[in-house]
Amino acid sequence: DVKVTQSSRYLVKRTGEKVFLECVQDMDHENMFWYRQDPGLGLRLIYFSYDVKMKEKGDIPEGYSVSREKKERFSLILESASTNQTSMYLCASSEYTANYGYTFGSGTRLTVV
Amino acid sequence: QQQVKQSPQSLIVQKGGISIINCAYENTAFDYFPWYQQFPGKGPALLIAIRPDVSEKKEGRFTISFNKSAKQFSLHIMDSQPGDSATYFCAASYRNRDDKIIFGKGTRLHILP
Repeated sequence: DVKVTQSSRYLVKRTGEKVFLECVQDMDHENMFWYRQDPGLGLRLIYFSYDVKMKEKGDIPEGYSVSREKKERFSLILESASTNQTSMYLCASSEYTANYGYTFGSGTRLTVV
Repeated sequence: QQQVKQSPQSLIVQKGGISIINCAYENTAFDYFPWYQQFPGKGPALLIAIRPDVSEKKEGRFTISFNKSAKQFSLHIMDSQPGDSATYFCAASYRNRDDKIIFGKGTRLHILP
């Protein structure tokens, strides 16, 4: 069964900490995405990547960065965590064209205290 | 700004009834319209999708109706069951290399037993 695996299900971090969220896919997909999901705001795109070492800003990149050193792994980095970054973070991947849909991971619920 | 507008934000339906979720889009360049289903604690999963060359697609109890001239599409869930209780996202994407899927803000559906 094809999968997108997010390394942590729940995380609690302190304000100001540097936080790494890891995502690995086993489908040899070219494209990978990071979203955050908040009640009433739906899915908001943070960053995405079409290829190794490539990255593109999404709709809400402020306070985040990403790294894609290998095709199967896409990391989201919170440089200095803040309480307004408390959220559910979802990773997704897709083939060359998104017209075949995304496969999402189960999410990481991050709480910043 | 290109977007997909989804309504209602929440919906309560009696068991056995028909659940209807509506979406509208702006950009006629969209050529793929998926629906995603998300259960609590899980990531969204592709439920059903349609392309603009057809007006309806049915898979089991789930049907997408598509009105190209009105730039609207909807999800109908026939004989709704408590197990259908979830958040549903409509979405749209382009035919070119810009591979982002544009998501609606989601509808939280609750089916009363």
